[in-house]
Amino acid sequence: DVKVTQSSRYLVKRTGEKVFLECVQDMDHENMFWYRQDPGLGLRLIYFSYDVKMKEKGDIPEGYSVSREKKERFSLILESASTNQTSMYLCASSLSGGRYSPLHFGNGTRLTVT
Amino acid sequence: GENVEQHPSTLSVQEGDSAVIKCTYSDSASNYFPWYKQELGKRPQLIIDIRSNVGEKKDQRIAVTLNKTAKHFSLHITETQPEDSAVYFCAASIITGFQKLVFGTGTRLLVSP
Repeated sequence: DVKVTQSSRYLVKRTGEKVFLECVQDMDHENMFWYRQDPGLGLRLIYFSYDVKMKEKGDIPEGYSVSREKKERFSLILESASTNQTSMYLCASSLSGGRYSPLHFGNGTRLTVT
Repeated sequence: GENVEQHPSTLSVQEGDSAVIKCTYSDSASNYFPWYKQELGKRPQLIIDIRSNVGEKKDQRIAVTLNKTAKHFSLHITETQPEDSAVYFCAASIITGFQKLVFGTGTRLLVSP
C-alpha cells in the first residue's frame, strides 16, 4: 500500500516566517504534487514535480517554492508566510506520466499563519 | 487551461435514495476523469475513474457517466448509506507526458439514516 507521509499534521507560524512542509512517499513514484485545499475552492495545484530536481508551476504558485532533491521527498516552502496562506496543504504522488494512475494523498498539514 | 465546475456544493439525501453529482470541464483535450472521496478528517481517495473512450463505468453502487460532446461527467451513487457521507471531488486531466489533474470545488454529501 502506498504511503505518503507529511511531516506535520498541524502547524502554527507567524507572518513573515519561512515555512517548510515536508512530504515523503515510499512507492518510488516519479510524480509528486502539492495541493492547497480551501472550503468552496476545492483542491488547487501549487507545484508539481515529475522527476528529481524537476519542478513545474501549478495554478497558484505565487508565494511558494518547492524542492525535490531526492525522488521520495518533495518539500513545499513558504518564503515569507502570510495570513492568506492559512490553509490545508495536501501532498500527493503518482506513477510516471502517460498512465492513468491515481493520486495517493498524504493526511494533510493544516497551516495557520498568525 | 482546464477549468472544472462541480454541482451541487451540498447534497442531502435519505438513506437508500440515489445521489447524483455533476461536473463540467472546459478543455476538449481532457481524457481522464477520476472521482475522489474525502471523509471527514481523512485524505482524498480515488473511488472510480473513467477514460474518454468509455461512456459509462460501474463499480457496485457507484457509476460514472461521461458525455464528451457536452463536456460533462457525473457520479451516481445508488442505495446510499450513511458511510457514503463525505466530500466528493471530480477532476479532469490531460494525459500527455505527465498527469496534471484539475479538481472541481467539491460536493458535500450527507446521507441521513
